[in-house]
Amino acid sequence: GAVVSQHPSWVICKSGTSVKIECRSLDFQATTMFWYRQFPKQSLMLMATSNEGSKATYEQGVEKDKFLINHASLTLSTLTVTSAHPEDSSFYICSAQNRGKAGNTIYFGEGSWLTVV
Amino acid sequence: AQSVAQPEDQVNVAEGNPLTVKCTYSVSGNPYLFWYVQYPNRGLQFLLKYITGDNLVKGSYGFEAEFNKSQTSFHLKKPSALVSDSALYFCAVRGGGGSYIPTFGRGTSLIVHP
Repeated sequence: GAVVSQHPSWVICKSGTSVKIECRSLDFQATTMFWYRQFPKQSLMLMATSNEGSKATYEQGVEKDKFLINHASLTLSTLTVTSAHPEDSSFYICSAQNRGKAGNTIYFGEGSWLTVV
Repeated sequence: AQSVAQPEDQVNVAEGNPLTVKCTYSVSGNPYLFWYVQYPNRGLQFLLKYITGDNLVKGSYGFEAEFNKSQTSFHLKKPSALVSDSALYFCAVRGGGGSYIPTFGRGTSLIVHP
């Protein structure tokens, strides 16, 4: 299957600093990428949908100024958590889909654990 | 609006026994249905999907799922469970009406006992 690479896998940052997480589709062009947040033993919470070359669409309750998403190319999307606080500590997962049809499979990255201290 | 229900938070099964993880959905138009598995501290891995065609879909690691239109269900099954199948399983649906955003169920924790 297609490969989505997410980096870093683990990151610890100080409260008030910013951290960037990258999501890359390695062997296909991803017109759309999705960013999720997952709390322990819970389901995925969609944060935003990112389309290449346009602004991300954020879900209700997600602060767009805090969670900056950039999808500058067909293979890369980034999530920047700005002015991070301990409550932002979580598991963040990206997913990507190939252009086109609704039946296309969505592939996930391996996730990034963010710990804000 | 589309939705997915995974009615069981946890499924317990003995190794070697068949397993079923349930999923029902609601969507406008034709459904596109997916199953994913998540191991601890990992991302989601694609198992299988239904788009059209045969109602029984075969996927990775010996898993299969049966699409039942009248019951709006897409239950995940495996004839003989392995301890290594223990993980969190997510069902997802995406409608054919133009929305590319999938809706995920809340997940079902499968525990296979030796």
